[in-house]
Amino acid sequence: DIVLTQSPATLSVSPGESVSLSCRASQGISTSIHWYQQKSNESPRLLIKYASQSISGIPSRFSGSGSGTDFTLSISRIESEDFSVYYCQQSYSLPRTFGAGTKLELK
Amino acid sequence: QIQLVQSGPELKKPGESVKISCKASGYTFTNYGIYWVKQAPGQGLQYMGWINTATGKSTYADDFKGRFVFFLETSASTAFLQINNLKNEDMAAYFCTRGPYYFDYWGQGVMVTVSS
Repeated sequence: DIVLTQSPATLSVSPGESVSLSCRASQGISTSIHWYQQKSNESPRLLIKYASQSISGIPSRFSGSGSGTDFTLSISRIESEDFSVYYCQQSYSLPRTFGAGTKLELK
Repeated sequence: QIQLVQSGPELKKPGESVKISCKASGYTFTNYGIYWVKQAPGQGLQYMGWINTATGKSTYADDFKGRFVFFLETSASTAFLQINNLKNEDMAAYFCTRGPYYFDYWGQGVMVTVSS
């Protein structure tokens, strides 16, 4: 199974700052990585597909990059509604797997 | 609009079974597989497996082979997850979502509480 390692586990930031969240795959997966946001007691929401492709309705401050084994979710000018947990997920092979998540918290 | 609507919360005793439903609407049900994801309290997302809505064939992740069953009522555009012989470690929220590569629509989740 492909293991996804997200870092850091927790990131403390202030509104208006910009951040980068990392997701590293245990083997090369091309661009078969997708990013989700999950707020407390809600379902996950798809933010980015195939490493860098935008999703309709998602604010433009969310962007993704990377290929192979290293991927990044970038959030520019963080807003209060962005404080939540972010997960990466791979679709290169079955079983699909998720990273353990990065919690973005208010500094 | 596309929706996946799941059944309500469940309270069960160890050893019992639970059946969770996931009703799809707004798209052709048999064109997309239904995937199941577990989230234990305070934990991350864990992939459980999926069911091919066109053929009814299920594929389970290793941790979910044996007591977990996916099945369909295609005429009602509904997928089901049944968990048999419930254990304490099954206490979690269970989400259905639409695949196959990225998960663009999710059910609201069903909280299953296991307590004697």
